[in-house]
Amino acid sequence: RKEVEQDPGPFNVPEGATVAFNCTYSNSASQSFFWYRQDCRKEPKLLMSVYSSGNEDGRFTAQLNRASQYISLLIRDSKLSDSATYLCVVINSGYSTLTFGKGTMLLVSP
Amino acid sequence: EPEVTQTPSHQVTQMGQEVILRCVPISNHLYFYWYRQILGQKVEFLVSFYNNEISEKSEIFDDQFSVERPDGSNFTLKIRSTKLEDSAMYFCASSEALVRVGYEQYFGPGTRLTVT
Repeated sequence: RKEVEQDPGPFNVPEGATVAFNCTYSNSASQSFFWYRQDCRKEPKLLMSVYSSGNEDGRFTAQLNRASQYISLLIRDSKLSDSATYLCVVINSGYSTLTFGKGTMLLVSP
Repeated sequence: EPEVTQTPSHQVTQMGQEVILRCVPISNHLYFYWYRQILGQKVEFLVSFYNNEISEKSEIFDDQFSVERPDGSNFTLKIRSTKLEDSAMYFCASSEALVRVGYEQYFGPGTRLTVT
């Protein structure tokens, strides 16, 4: 079973739409969770950390469900510039390194 | 804004040759990492480095790989005898502290390694 699983997409949405991505992780000892954004052939960049109580940053909302071992990212009022691959990332207990999912591609069209 | 830099941006080498990929982490960071991403695949952890020694490594990081911090600013990844399957984007990253919520790993722009 893959450690971090994501629907690869692509998700094609019009500008202004709301879109949600889910991610599941297999290691119940995972302790920290993040969403990264990766543009084509570029480095991953931190979008937001995911807190246990859920958190919001502008148009972006992240949720964590430890019991079901999944993380979600909601993007409201999509912009053309949101087009990218969104990477779900976890840190496993006892380690300091990032475990990446393969990513979900988002394409926002005019 | 401080950033991680990597050189070269693209390296082409023949199978069996040695390559050295270079990174300059953010100056006050203490933890350094190498990741790789094969085209179309996920980002994979290779090795982490702290206090002048390897702190963690993955099963990908076999005897063909080595890391070094030769001069207090550069952080290098050496592949001794490259194979075709080493072709990938190699990302260097650094962090101020052990990464967790609140302490981000900053990634460099990557070196694209092509082994022919």
